[in-house]
Parts: sequence; structure tokens; C-alpha cells
Amino acid sequence: GENVEQHPSTLSVQEGDSAVIKCTYSDSASNYFPWYKQELGKRPQLIIDIRSNVGEKKDQRIAVTLNKTAKHFSLHITETQPEDSAVYFCAASIGGTYKYIFGTGTRLKVLA
Amino acid sequence: NAGVTQTPKFQVLKTGQSMTLQCAQDMNHEYMSWYRQDPGMGLRLIHYSVGAGITDQGEVPNGYNVSRSTTEDFPLRLLSAAPSQTSVYFCASRDGDVPFGNTEAFFGQGTRLTVV
Repeated sequence: GENVEQHPSTLSVQEGDSAVIKCTYSDSASNYFPWYKQELGKRPQLIIDIRSNVGEKKDQRIAVTLNKTAKHFSLHITETQPEDSAVYFCAASIGGTYKYIFGTGTRLKVLA
Repeated sequence: NAGVTQTPKFQVLKTGQSMTLQCAQDMNHEYMSWYRQDPGMGLRLIHYSVGAGITDQGEVPNGYNVSRSTTEDFPLRLLSAAPSQTSVYFCASRDGDVPFGNTEAFFGQGTRLTVV
């Protein structure tokens, strides 16, 4: 079946450094790729998304890139801050259905 | 505008008991979903609905039932609770597909369920 793989599972960076989280998907018909941030004890919230007709999207310190040929997409956070510490989930829409499949999450720790 | 509201926030059940997790949204969204979140396994889709009267199974549907009698409500029923159903449950809703693609999912605050 369709799946989304996410790496790494944990990531520690020094404050001010960049962080990169990578996801691969299996369904070539996937056309929507959101990223969610979940702080401890809270609900997941969308931070950025990208559609299949775009290769890159940026919003201040956050950017997402998409490589449709390789079927992978990445989240880039620059100038990390302690408040960026959270679990990040990628997801992909399943072509032909209304479902989103989520990756297993990356716990990001930004060390002050 | 409350968004997506789940009740209860916490629940402890005994093995074999049944219960219903409530989910309501006030954004007139067509699509609603239930996920469970377990350590190291991300968010796994249990059931989803694309509109009132229409439901379908996700990745892990066994042991759960859903119904969608109104646009606003999408309850999740545990038929006979088992310790393996101990998890955090999230309900999510989103607008129908828009031109050029899918849309953001909004999550409820979650229900932490423990089955003993």
C-alpha cells in the first residue's frame, strides 16, 4: 500500500543552525504535501504545504522542496530557535482518494 | 468559531467496555477523519468521511465504527475496548478539494484514551 517514510526520527541542532527533515512517498499520483508541527501535548498544526505543480515554497525561515521524479520532499528550517523544538510530521495525499498518509514524525530539539 | 472540538480530553476504560469519542466542527467542512497517534508510529488513519452519510476505512479500522449523520459531527465508537487501543485520538476536518489540489486539515485537541 501507499506509505510515507520520514527521516530522521530525532534531530538535535544548535540554536541558529539549520535543520532539514526528509520524506519519501510511494504514490506517484500524490499531489499535496503538508508539514505539521506538534508541540508537546498539543494538536498538530500546519506550518507549510506544497502542491505538485511547484518545486519549492518558502515562508520566512521555513521552506519546503519537492522532487517529483525522486518522490521525495524536504522541510528546511533556517536560523533555528528554541521555540522550533517540537515534533514535525510530513504527509502526502493519496492520489485518487481523499486520504492523507502521515510520516512517523521527527522530534527536533534546538539547543540553546 | 471554535474549529474542531473533541470530547472527552481524557478517558480510562476497562477492557471490553464500549464508548464514543465525540468530534464536532463548525467550519462547514466536507471531509472529516479520525487518527490515532502512538509513539514512533505517527498519525494513522482510522476512518474518514467525505460528507454526511458517507464513510470509509483508513489504515487501522478494526475495532472502531463511525457514522456521519450531519456535516458537523463525526463520532468514533469503540465497540469492545482492548489495551491495544490505548492511544491519543485526533479528529480532523478540512474543506473539500479546491481547484489545483487538496486543503489544510485542522485537528481537534485530542483525546487521550487508556484501556486497562
